[in-house]
Amino acid sequence: GENVEQHPSTLSVQEGDSAVIKCTYSDSASNYFPWYKQELGKRPQLIIDIRSNVGEKKDQRIAVTLNKTAKHFSLHITETQPEDSAVYFCAASKGSSASKIIFGSGTRLSIRP
Amino acid sequence: GAVVSQHPSRVICKSGTSVKIECRSLDFQATTMFWYRQFPKQSLMLMATSNEGSKATYEQGVEKDKFLINHASLTLSTLTVTSAHPEDSSFYICSAEDSVRNQPQHFGDGTRLSIL
Repeated sequence: GENVEQHPSTLSVQEGDSAVIKCTYSDSASNYFPWYKQELGKRPQLIIDIRSNVGEKKDQRIAVTLNKTAKHFSLHITETQPEDSAVYFCAASKGSSASKIIFGSGTRLSIRP
Repeated sequence: GAVVSQHPSRVICKSGTSVKIECRSLDFQATTMFWYRQFPKQSLMLMATSNEGSKATYEQGVEKDKFLINHASLTLSTLTVTSAHPEDSSFYICSAEDSVRNQPQHFGDGTRLSIL
């Protein structure tokens, strides 16, 4: 089955700097890669996603890149703000209807004021 | 607003009690729902895939007799933790996919289960 690895497990950056979180996946059939932000005690919230027919996607300060050949994908947050502090999860799915989502281990991001 | 409603949000009960958690899709039909478990400071681990009108598909290592799943309608799936013990204490989250509108999975707010 699919295995998603994520690093780093913790990341601390100065406010205004950029943060990068990297993930790898094992199943070449996976073609949908969502990223979630989870605050303590809350449900995960989808912040951006990318499909395998696209190499990069951007939404304001957030961007995701995908290297399907290497089975790598990354989340980039620019101009970080205190409210960006949370746990971030990458995930992978085969993307078809009723496909299960497999999560990475998570990255705890802290933004230093 | 929430499109997947999960209830209850918090349960505290004695060891040996069975606990039922409901997951409802509010404005769409979901033939498939998913149940996850999340221990403190860990990731979401898929427990099972709930299929409307048929048996659930459990992930390896998840006891199907311990975690009973029923998906009797297109908008409701239930997870029953039978004879719960302290080690079952966790955050349980469901998700559902609106396959008609081809939207990503929506997550419920989760249920924090504490077994004393």
